[in-house]
Amino acid sequence: AQSVTQLDSHVSVSEGTPVLLRCNYSSSYSPSLFWYVQHPNKGLQLLLKYTSAATLVKGINGFEAEFKKSETSFHLTKPSAHMSDAAEYFCVVSERGYSTLTFGKGTMLLVSP
Amino acid sequence: GAGVSQSPSNKVTEKGKDVELRCDPISGHTALYWYRQSLGQGLEFLIYFQGNSAPDKSGLPSDRFSAERTGGSVSTLTIQRTQQEDSAVYLCASSFRGLAVANTGELFFGEGSRLTVL
Repeated sequence: AQSVTQLDSHVSVSEGTPVLLRCNYSSSYSPSLFWYVQHPNKGLQLLLKYTSAATLVKGINGFEAEFKKSETSFHLTKPSAHMSDAAEYFCVVSERGYSTLTFGKGTMLLVSP
Repeated sequence: GAGVSQSPSNKVTEKGKDVELRCDPISGHTALYWYRQSLGQGLEFLIYFQGNSAPDKSGLPSDRFSAERTGGSVSTLTIQRTQQEDSAVYLCASSFRGLAVANTGELFFGEGSRLTVL
């Protein structure tokens, strides 16, 4: 079975400071992992994905995530937050053969000036 | 079309009424998914279509929920005898091929239909 746990429901940062959104996963086999972002009243957009290639994955808008199998983690980071990063972020897991993605409950990122 | 289109964007209905939600996927995408997003609950999978057939409908919460897809394109999610707990945003997504076939993980989402049951 596949599942993800996002450890924080809300994260608040100041503009220009680092962002860390934490995600742990559970999977029976080698999973694929993703981060999606949802801006207010918008559809979800793929931010980045890990599919068993390089463990450090770079995505759009300066975000990156590192797959750590020993820790079953896939945390999302960004060196310097921007006001436009304020959104809800979802960690997602998928296993080959599964017909759907499994989403975490989301982390709301708040960025203050 | 250029993106996944959903209608209506907002629907307010009375308890006990039936509602239909429509999804028009990206042209050429064979796989189509319905998810439900409730406040603080993340995304809940409802049903997956490959072409016109639904190999996985395990997420439909009750027999009041049904969905169909015609012509390998437009899909309709129907909720009969709506209840207040059905209030949520219903999201549709499509992908070029089904995730079980090509696990790229990239689904293209519409902006959702917000359903409010009074």
